[in-house]
Amino acid sequence: EPEVTQTPSHQVTQMGQEVILRCVPISNHLYFYWYRQILGQKVEFLVSFYNNEISEKSEIFDDQFSVERPDGSNFTLKIRSTKLEDSAMYFCASEGSSGNTIYFGEGSWLTVV
Amino acid sequence: AQRVTQPEKLLSVFKGAPVELKCNYSYSGSPELFWYVQYSRQRLQLLLRHISRESIKGFTADLNKGETSFHLKKPFAQEEDSAMYYCALLKNSGGYQKVTFGTGTKLQVIP
Repeated sequence: EPEVTQTPSHQVTQMGQEVILRCVPISNHLYFYWYRQILGQKVEFLVSFYNNEISEKSEIFDDQFSVERPDGSNFTLKIRSTKLEDSAMYFCASEGSSGNTIYFGEGSWLTVV
Repeated sequence: AQRVTQPEKLLSVFKGAPVELKCNYSYSGSPELFWYVQYSRQRLQLLLRHISRESIKGFTADLNKGETSFHLKKPFAQEEDSAMYYCALLKNSGGYQKVTFGTGTKLQVIP
């Protein structure tokens, strides 16, 4: 079965550093998402991406966050200047077309120290 | 605004006992609801969706619009059912979909 893959699985970074989380969505999928889960809290929507632009973003997704799909395959989430509260599991997800199932990656665990 | 509520953080049952994981939702439109499962150190996986009305791994869930609930049930729990279970509501927003998750319930099946 096709899978969404994410790298790194775990990253530790110093506060203020830039972090890039990478995702390879399922081939031929059109819609891409990032979700976040802070330890002990629920999974929260961050952003959706379609046709090379952001479709919707939550209030969590402020100016320090950005997404791009630089080469038509990878879908990246960049955090420009990490804060302690950015420590969380970040899930990438992709979907083929509207009404289809959303597939999640295994997550990238980010620890900001 | 859409909201999904899972009132139990932890549910412990003995092997062979019935399981019911509660989920309530609030949504002004016509809801599309799912259950996702996350086994230890694995990815979120779709367990079932209400529109397909199928039974996966012995689990079923019925959408009750009157009670705005979508409880997940299984008649006889197995040890391998131990996992985190997330109820989720899907909103179709002009072509793409936005998922709102509940806080999750950890199911612990005691051998």
